Amino acid sequence: EVQLVEAGGGFVQPGGSLRLSCAASGFTNYINWVRRAPGKGLEWVSIIYSGGDTYYADSVKGRFTISRDKSKNTVFLQMNSLRADDTAVYYCAGDSGLCSGGGCYNKDYYYFYGLDVWGQGTTVTVSS
Amino acid sequence: DIQMTQSPSSLSASVGDRVTITCRANQDIRNYLAWYQHKPGKIPNLLIYAASTLQSGVPSRFSGSGSGTDFTLTISSLQPEDVATYYCQKYNSAPFTFGPGTTVDVK
Repeated sequence: EVQLVEAGGGFVQPGGSLRLSCAASGFTNYINWVRRAPGKGLEWVSIIYSGGDTYYADSVKGRFTISRDKSKNTVFLQMNSLRADDTAVYYCAGDSGLCSGGGCYNKDYYYFYGLDVWGQGTTVTVSS
Repeated sequence: DIQMTQSPSSLSASVGDRVTITCRANQDIRNYLAWYQHKPGKIPNLLIYAASTLQSGVPSRFSGSGSGTDFTLTISSLQPEDVATYYCQKYNSAPFTFGPGTTVDVK
């Protein structure tokens, strides 16, 4: 079973930067970043597919960059121009690759059927 | 971008009750919808994908239905361990937006 381990959270002032990492113990078709701000619900942030394609939520587009180091099976989230409303627990989440049959590919023919593997989360606090 | 809504935002029910949560998309997303359970202090857990397919290991009291713009998550007999916030997520295409969540409590 794939396991995901995040690192890199911490305290940063507004306008600062942080880089989160997500180390995977096995192959995943995609890795997402999902965050939960205090008192708020889950918010999807970004995805990187095994083929390299990336997508972002509008709230982070232009400020956050998702990337990966294939040799280390690790995904990164570079967060720049951080704001107070970026304060949250950040989870990396992906798939176990066990989906079969219908529902495993979305309309763009990307393998995606939900997030069935999650890391424990890392906390980012943006405050002056 | 497609917007997701959920109703109710919270509910309280008795053990053994049938509970239904609704998720709505403002555009057709076919059956590209997943449901998650998020318990306090825990990591989120995938319950259902493709709108109605039960993820392996999830109790059969959970079920999903719907297609297009309207979806439901049903707990056939609420148990104390089901206290959590439930989220829908669309995945027809990016962004893979979550709904705002429905908090379920036991009376």
